[in-house]
Amino acid sequence: NAGVTQTPKFQVLKTGQSMTLQCAQDMNHNSMYWYRQDPGMGLRLIYYSASEGTTDKGEVPNGYNVSRLNKREFSLRLESAAPSQTSVYFCATASLPQETQYFGPGTRLLVL
Amino acid sequence: KNQVEQSPQSLIILEGKNCTLQCNYTVSPFSNLRWYKQDTGRGPVSLTIMTFSENTKSNGRYTATLDADTKQSSLHITASQLSDSASYICVVTPYGNNRLAFGKGNQVVVIP
Repeated sequence: NAGVTQTPKFQVLKTGQSMTLQCAQDMNHNSMYWYRQDPGMGLRLIYYSASEGTTDKGEVPNGYNVSRLNKREFSLRLESAAPSQTSVYFCATASLPQETQYFGPGTRLLVL
Repeated sequence: KNQVEQSPQSLIILEGKNCTLQCNYTVSPFSNLRWYKQDTGRGPVSLTIMTFSENTKSNGRYTATLDADTKQSSLHITASQLSDSASYICVVTPYGNNRLAFGKGNQVVVIP
């Protein structure tokens, strides 16, 4: 079992470019999450999906959109990247919202 | 104001020594409190989980304690090893809420 996978591992974008970060899980979990992690700050929730077919905003949703494609996949889209979106992005999953979250390896994004 | 405060921000310890990390939180009511370990360049991994009614939980050389009255938790690392070098993140789950409250982490460096 791969657990939680994220693609790509690294990405460099120019300001204004768009891209989609992919997350897939084979744990049959219902809930999926997108976080960003910046130096000196804790993990901050961007969007989450409590179950297939639902998505909700987190703490820092501006500049992002998400799609819960199916139970396994949850993508995060940057429509027009900005330098402030330079960060490490983590996808996480949980069987239920209150249960332990399992994190992917992260995507390191640099926006120039 | 951050709902979860961790101290010290960073510390260096000698291999074989013990150390204790602190977490103070204001989240109330809460369902559970977790400690995660995050190795450099990787996603966080759950170490321990305690409900509001539990006082202590161990995972090998890691022992977490919880005092719900004072809203404090600690993570004790016994006989530290080089592989314990990581960031340790305290995470509180608010009752009835999907949005976890993350601390900024305690950065631990174990030196030979």
